[in-house]
Amino acid sequence: EAQVTQNPRYLITVTGKKLTVTCSQNMNHEYMSWYRQDPGLGLRQIYYSMNVEVTDKGDVPEGYKVSRKEKRNFPLILESPSPNQTSLYFCASSLFAGGRYEQYFGPGTRLTVT
Amino acid sequence: AQKVTQAQTEISVVEKEDVTLDCVYETRDTTYYLFWYKQPPSGELVFLIRRNSFDEQNEISGRYSWNFQKSTSSFNFTITASQVVDSAVYFCALSEAYGSARQLTFGSGTQLTVLP
Repeated sequence: EAQVTQNPRYLITVTGKKLTVTCSQNMNHEYMSWYRQDPGLGLRQIYYSMNVEVTDKGDVPEGYKVSRKEKRNFPLILESPSPNQTSLYFCASSLFAGGRYEQYFGPGTRLTVT
Repeated sequence: AQKVTQAQTEISVVEKEDVTLDCVYETRDTTYYLFWYKQPPSGELVFLIRRNSFDEQNEISGRYSWNFQKSTSSFNFTITASQVVDSAVYFCALSEAYGSARQLTFGSGTQLTVLP
């Protein structure tokens, strides 16, 4: 079954305490990305990755880091979380090959930074 | 810079009515991709469709149809004979040439409520 998994699903943390949200896909997709969703603002892209060791900034990368050491994993790192990073985070993977396009999202991670 | 506008914040219809969700976009690229996504009350995101800028044919998938008009920079989504299960937030999105969701810009979403 095609799947994107994220962990944890819920996290409450304090300002400044480093955290990592993991994302893993089982479809061998090359493209992965992270989004945050905030009320009234829709979804905004944080970072994306076109393949292993290839990452680039999206619209709101400040305060976040990513890495892509393996094709299946794309963790999101908050080195020093702040309350304005309280949000709902989604990871996604996608494939575009031979005219076929597919995209799957993880279930979301609700992060609260106090 | 890319921009996607979904002017309808909330729409409410009665079951079996048709409903159209509007999406207007701005881009300087000549090659781009447009997307629609569904987010039901359970919160997950579901990809519905991707359309490239060279293909202005309307697309139909069951009760769903999409009308892409380059002349008005619009990519509207119509649900025919709506059902309660269609209640969700729907997002329109735009990406640049590669269309792999490499750099994806979303609209703010339209909350659709289908009443029984």
